[in-house]
Amino acid sequence: DIQMTQSPSSLSASVGDRVTITCRTSQSISSYLNWYQQKPGKAPKVLIYAASSLQNGVPSRFSGSGSGTDFTLTISSLQPEDFATYYCQQSYSIWTFGQGTKVEI
Amino acid sequence: EVQLLESGGGLVQPGGSLRLSCAASGFTFSSYAMSWVRQAPGKGLEWVSAISGSGAGTYYADSVRGRFTISRDNSKNTLFLQMNSLRTEDTAVYYCAKLVVVAATRHFQHWGQGTLVTVSS
Repeated sequence: DIQMTQSPSSLSASVGDRVTITCRTSQSISSYLNWYQQKPGKAPKVLIYAASSLQNGVPSRFSGSGSGTDFTLTISSLQPEDFATYYCQQSYSIWTFGQGTKVEI
Repeated sequence: EVQLLESGGGLVQPGGSLRLSCAASGFTFSSYAMSWVRQAPGKGLEWVSAISGSGAGTYYADSVRGRFTISRDNSKNTLFLQMNSLRTEDTAVYYCAKLVVVAATRHFQHWGQGTLVTVSS
């Protein structure tokens, strides 16, 4: 099974900050990496697919990069509505989620 | 507009069974693989099971293989998850999700609102 390691598990940030979340996989997955945002009591929402492709309707302040085993989600200027938990997910071999990163004030 | 509506959750005793349903609308159901993803209270997301558009291919996480069965009725645009031999660790919100293949990657593009399954005596 492919293991996912997301870091940090939580972070404190302010509106306007640049935020970076990292996801590392236990083996190379090429670009088969997706990012999701989840707010309390709500279903997850896809932000980035194929490591760097922005889902339709997602603000351009979100970006993804990486390939192989190391990936990054960046929020260029944090907005109030971005406080949430973020998950990476590999789709190279069935599906596995990272443990999540909670972004809070 | 894509809509996914789960039902069938509730309280069940350990060792019991439950059948979840997910009614889909707003897209050609039979053309898409579907999946179940769960989230234990206060925990992260865990992929549970997936099924191809035709229903011929099914996939399971190790944690549920042999106990859960995924199926679909394309004539009724409905996805199912039959859960047997339930354990306390199966307690979670269960989401159904529509799988999309883009640029050879497969991601969960649409999600239902979830249904809560509680396994407790």
